[in-house]
Amino acid sequence: AQKVTQAQTEISVVEKEDVTLDCVYETRDTTYYLFWYKQPPSGELVFLIRRNSFDEQNEISGRYSWNFQKSTSSFNFTITASQVVDSAVYFCALIKGQAGTALIFGKGTTLSVSS
Amino acid sequence: SQTIHQWPATLVQPVGSPLSLECTVEGTSNPNLYWYRQAAGRGLQLLFYSVGIGQISSEVPQNLSASRPQDRQFILSSKKLLLSDSGFYLCAWSHLGPGQGGIAFFGQGTRLTVV
Repeated sequence: AQKVTQAQTEISVVEKEDVTLDCVYETRDTTYYLFWYKQPPSGELVFLIRRNSFDEQNEISGRYSWNFQKSTSSFNFTITASQVVDSAVYFCALIKGQAGTALIFGKGTTLSVSS
Repeated sequence: SQTIHQWPATLVQPVGSPLSLECTVEGTSNPNLYWYRQAAGRGLQLLFYSVGIGQISSEVPQNLSASRPQDRQFILSSKKLLLSDSGFYLCAWSHLGPGQGGIAFFGQGTRLTVV
């Protein structure tokens, strides 16, 4: 069975701090896809990144970076120099490679950034 | 470019009343379509997905049903709402076939309160 665990329910930081959101996944498939989505207070889910299981390269996009480690089944997300606008719920998700189409989400981490 | 429309944005319905939420996608053809529910501000649960007209897969047996009468239209329905149907309903679309890890793009969501 596939499962995504985001152990951190809520994180509070002060602006300019770095913060890492953890994501651990479970799957028996050798091919799978991992995602991060952001849900701001408006409610819409915004796509941030997709990674396939064959690409373990870390990725950086501005203040955002992702660390994918198959050895620990983790796909962690780091925000550098956090800003108030980063306050949102962040979801990690998985699609299995064998005929999978739908996202399996973790329960999300609520990030609060104060000024 | 592709856009997804979901309405209404908010809905308050009495217990036992019917429900119809509509979602349409523009700018693409033959999308995969999904209904998710987020209860109590947390956790996204897949309710239904569809890979084509008239093809509906149900992930969780419950008081809801879905239909896809046209290629880019996805409808979530209930004949009689329960209090437990309250939540935030999100429609999404993606491309690519099963097992290809297509990115899902979400609508703005419908906040349903059953009273």
